Amino acid sequence: DAMVIQNPRYQVTQFGKPVTLSCSQTLNHNVMYWYQQKSSQAPKLLFHYYDKDFNNEADTPDNFQSRRPNTSFCFLDIRSPGLGDAAMYLCATSVERGIDTEAFFGQGTRLTVV
Amino acid sequence: AQKVTQAQTEISVVEKEDVTLDCVYETRDTTYYLFWYKQPPSGELVFLIRRNSFDEQNEISGRYSWNFQKSTSSFNFTITASQVVDSAVYFCALTEMDSSYKLIFGSGTRLLVRP
Repeated sequence: DAMVIQNPRYQVTQFGKPVTLSCSQTLNHNVMYWYQQKSSQAPKLLFHYYDKDFNNEADTPDNFQSRRPNTSFCFLDIRSPGLGDAAMYLCATSVERGIDTEAFFGQGTRLTVV
Repeated sequence: AQKVTQAQTEISVVEKEDVTLDCVYETRDTTYYLFWYKQPPSGELVFLIRRNSFDEQNEISGRYSWNFQKSTSSFNFTITASQVVDSAVYFCALTEMDSSYKLIFGSGTRLLVRP
């Protein structure tokens, strides 16, 4: 059974039109992450939540926001998607935030911007 | 400077061949962890192994084995008797003490196992 679920699997949005990607987890993990993975590249961390505490990476564009209304759900909002934002977006969770922590990933949402 | 280097972009082998995926890392921390993740065509990254910087013992799990050598800053992954289901992108990753939550990924190696 899937433990980190991302919806939708594929999302097409128009240039400049706000879009929201969602992630839910059944693991009751404290930490939820959003990674961006462009074609043939490594996943890149955008931000993460430790419980309700939001942590943004220094190089994450302001165009990207996130919400975590409860333990189970986390959303990625892209306010004005550009062509360069087309990518796979991966949600992940972990029990704690530590150097040895195993992360559990969802199947990702592939975003296309037209 | 890239912290995790996977120089092999793509490898193609015939089923039953052995294959080694290379990973070279760079860190100033004395305490760190190394990971391997598998990304099949379905998209999710699947955890395979983690190794801490103080444990250089090699590990074997079924057809998978890992060779950690601090002297060369490498953490290589070998699949013995490869199978078609091993076809995937494999990522090596690093975590360090000063940003312990953050997986620093290499660029991945795409493995294609042909029947």
